[in-house]
Amino acid sequence: GDSVTQTEGPVTLPERAALTLNCTYQSSYSTFLFWYVQYLNKEPELLLKSSENQETDSRGFQASPIKSDSSFHLEKPSVQLSDSAVYYCALSWSVNAGGTSYGKLTFGQGTILTVHP
Amino acid sequence: GAVVSQHPSRVICKSGTSVKIECRSLDFQATTMFWYRQFPKKSLMLMATSNEGSKATYEQGVEKDKFLINHASLTLSTLTVTSAHPEDSSFYICSARDRGVNQPQHFGDGTRLSIL
Repeated sequence: GDSVTQTEGPVTLPERAALTLNCTYQSSYSTFLFWYVQYLNKEPELLLKSSENQETDSRGFQASPIKSDSSFHLEKPSVQLSDSAVYYCALSWSVNAGGTSYGKLTFGQGTILTVHP
Repeated sequence: GAVVSQHPSRVICKSGTSVKIECRSLDFQATTMFWYRQFPKKSLMLMATSNEGSKATYEQGVEKDKFLINHASLTLSTLTVTSAHPEDSSFYICSARDRGVNQPQHFGDGTRLSIL
């Protein structure tokens, strides 16, 4: 079945440190990849989305899918205090049910990031 | 601005009460909406997929009669937790996605349900 594996957390970094959160996945289908961020007591919000061979950039975060090793690592050159949150890698794959096709998300376990002064 | 609205944001009620949660897509028509449950410090767990005009598709282990889902229009899905008990206390989040498998899901604000 489909699965997503992320960096085991929690991850603690000082301000301005470089960040890499690993994400690898297994899927039998053509997939689309996302990173979501969830701040404390809030709903998840989209951070990045990517289709194959496309790098995307948002709020200083970058992720580039590498098909050869099924990865979609999240990077940021210099983190800020406000980046403290839980980060989820997710893959979307097409499901056909009852004549309807829709994308179903599989989430990783999440990685807690804490940035300190 | 928010593209998915979820209501209410917080519910505290007695055991045995049924609770209805609404999820609305604001900027687009969503033929498919999703309902998740999240326990503290855990990832999102998909409960069911809500399809407009048809029965919801439930994930394994989720009780259909306990968690009733209705998707009567292209902009509204509801989740009713029937006869709620303390173990049903959790953070419930809906999401909706515009057409196209590569479109991201947009999440509602979530509903924090506490059953006393």
